[in-house]
Amino acid sequence: DAKTTQPTSMDCAEGRAANLPCNHSTISGNEYVYWYRQIHSQGPQYIIHGLKNNETNEMASLIITEDRKSSTLILPHATLRDTAVYYCIVREYGNKLVFGAGTILRVKS
Amino acid sequence: DAGVIQSPRHEVTEMGQEVTLRCKPISGHNSLFWYRQTMMRGLELLIYFNNNVPIDDSGMPEDRFSAKMPNASFSTLKIQPSEPRDSAVYFCASSASGNQPQHFGDGTRLSIL
Repeated sequence: DAKTTQPTSMDCAEGRAANLPCNHSTISGNEYVYWYRQIHSQGPQYIIHGLKNNETNEMASLIITEDRKSSTLILPHATLRDTAVYYCIVREYGNKLVFGAGTILRVKS
Repeated sequence: DAGVIQSPRHEVTEMGQEVTLRCKPISGHNSLFWYRQTMMRGLELLIYFNNNVPIDDSGMPEDRFSAKMPNASFSTLKIQPSEPRDSAVYFCASSASGNQPQHFGDGTRLSIL
């Protein structure tokens, strides 16, 4: 599976949009982009995934560039409860997830 | 809907003892995953099952670790004998087939003294 690169940490003001970038320049055509987050001392929580089209659900939006080499997770109105480690993972259909270090997002009031 | 259920939530035991961690996946999911998380190594996949059959156990650290899935609704991860370096949070996750997302339990926090 392709490797991803994410910033180590980011800050966001409460109520503002949080935009978390992920680079996956070696992604192959059949690999999906997944986002999970882990709030302190809880299990990872699935957020969203996509192949090439942009996706939106009740938690977030996923914007994938046309060449698929990078993506951005958008939390439209961040709250303090969104403070967590966010993991961007690329995964081929049916393959296992490989978690990296992720991005620590701190939402501040 | 009930999520993935793990037990116990916390376990403290002395080195050399046998430890058994339990997991009940979400009903209808046919893939089950065991992960271990430590500060040093992050979140690592230990083993995963598909339709109760172990598919990839390359992440199992050594022979002291074993995992079973006797039926679609139950799995165990056993450590025998346990060592202090096994101290970690162990997560179980399940998913439907293919590219469906994995859903994680709340984990078992294991401390080996």
